Amino acid sequence: NAGVTQTPKFRVLKTGQSMTLLCAQDMNHEYMYWYRQDPGMGLRLIHYSVGEGTTAKGEVPDGYNVSRLKKQNFLLGLESAAPSQTSVYFCASSYQGYNEQFFGPGTRLTVL
Amino acid sequence: AQSVTQLDSQVPVFEEAPVELRCNYSSSVSVYLFWYVQYPNQGLQLLLKYLSGSTLVESINGFEAEFNKSQTSFHLRKPSVHISDTAEYFCAAFNFGNEKLTFGTGTRLTIIP
Repeated sequence: NAGVTQTPKFRVLKTGQSMTLLCAQDMNHEYMYWYRQDPGMGLRLIHYSVGEGTTAKGEVPDGYNVSRLKKQNFLLGLESAAPSQTSVYFCASSYQGYNEQFFGPGTRLTVL
Repeated sequence: AQSVTQLDSQVPVFEEAPVELRCNYSSSVSVYLFWYVQYPNQGLQLLLKYLSGSTLVESINGFEAEFNKSQTSFHLRKPSVHISDTAEYFCAAFNFGNEKLTFGTGTRLTIIP
């Protein structure tokens, strides 16, 4: 099992550009999450999904959109990147909300 | 609102010395508690968890944590640390009231040879 995978691993964008981060899991988990990690701030939840076709806002959703068209995939989109979105992005999945979350290796995004 | 507090952002410890990483949570309802570890340039992985039952939980690599309901704490301890324990440690609490998982801001454990 690959667990949770994320693509790409690194990306540099210019302000105003758009991009999509892909997360895939092969554990048949219902719940999927997108977090951002910034120094001294821990992990902050951007958006999450409790099942195929559903999405919900987390703590810091502004400037991001998500889609969960297939159970195994959870996409995070930045329509117009800003320097404040420079961060490390982690995807995670879990069977239920109270279960252990499994994390991907992260995507390091720099917005110039 | 639920919060998870890790008071120490960095903890330097000599190799083979004991360590305690502190975690306090605030919640008026039942919680599940977790410690996650993040090794350099990796994602988080579960270290141990408290769901119910015995208040002392252990991991396979020698860490343990004790759930203290009266003090709303879930401190992580290890009697003798190794270089390989160098990592950032995150405490997290799942609140059954709002069904949210909240992470602390993390504690960076540095082992001094």
